[in-house]
Amino acid sequence: GAVVSQHPSRVICKSGTSVKIECRSLDFQATTMFWYRQFPKQSLMLMATSNEGSKATYEQGVEKDKFLINHASLTLSTLTVTSAHPEDSSFYICSALRGSANEKLFFGSGTQLSVL
Amino acid sequence: GESVGLHLPTLSVQEGDNSIINCAYSNSASDYFIWYKQESGKGPQFIIDIRSNMDKRQGQRVTVLLNKTVKHLSLQIAATQPGDSAVYFCAENKGSARQLTFGSGTQLTVLP
Repeated sequence: GAVVSQHPSRVICKSGTSVKIECRSLDFQATTMFWYRQFPKQSLMLMATSNEGSKATYEQGVEKDKFLINHASLTLSTLTVTSAHPEDSSFYICSALRGSANEKLFFGSGTQLSVL
Repeated sequence: GESVGLHLPTLSVQEGDNSIINCAYSNSASDYFIWYKQESGKGPQFIIDIRSNMDKRQGQRVTVLLNKTVKHLSLQIAATQPGDSAVYFCAENKGSARQLTFGSGTQLTVLP
């Protein structure tokens, strides 16, 4: 099956620093990737849609200057949490869309961000 | 607003029994539904999907049932195993897997 690699799996950082999370589709090209945020015992909340070669589309309430998304190639999207604060601590998950006529979504393994 | 929701937040079953996880959706325009399994600290894993032109689809040990009349979706797991313990999410969309809306999840616990 399709593989989406997300790195790092866990990161601890000090308040005020920036953290970059990578999402790679290993065996297919993904023109569209998605970034989600998940709090404990809650569902996935879509943060933004990342499109290769163009600006990301952010969901209402998500600060684009806070969560920088870059999708520079067909296999890589990055999410940078800038000037992280404790309230940014969460589980971040990416997904990549494979196919055109029969689209399927494949998820990364997630990144647990803890901001001290 | 329209949303996808679940009836039961937790479900405990004995190993070997069958499990049924339910999901209600309210967007009548949705025509594509997916069940995902999420283990602790991991990303969601695709289990099975179904389109609105079907009312039942079977996979390996899993069956998804779709009742469009009452906007209800269920996931049946046969002979539940300890490895099935996880949170199960239903997700829906109109047309494709693009920008899915996820339900709130059900924690399935398999008892020895």
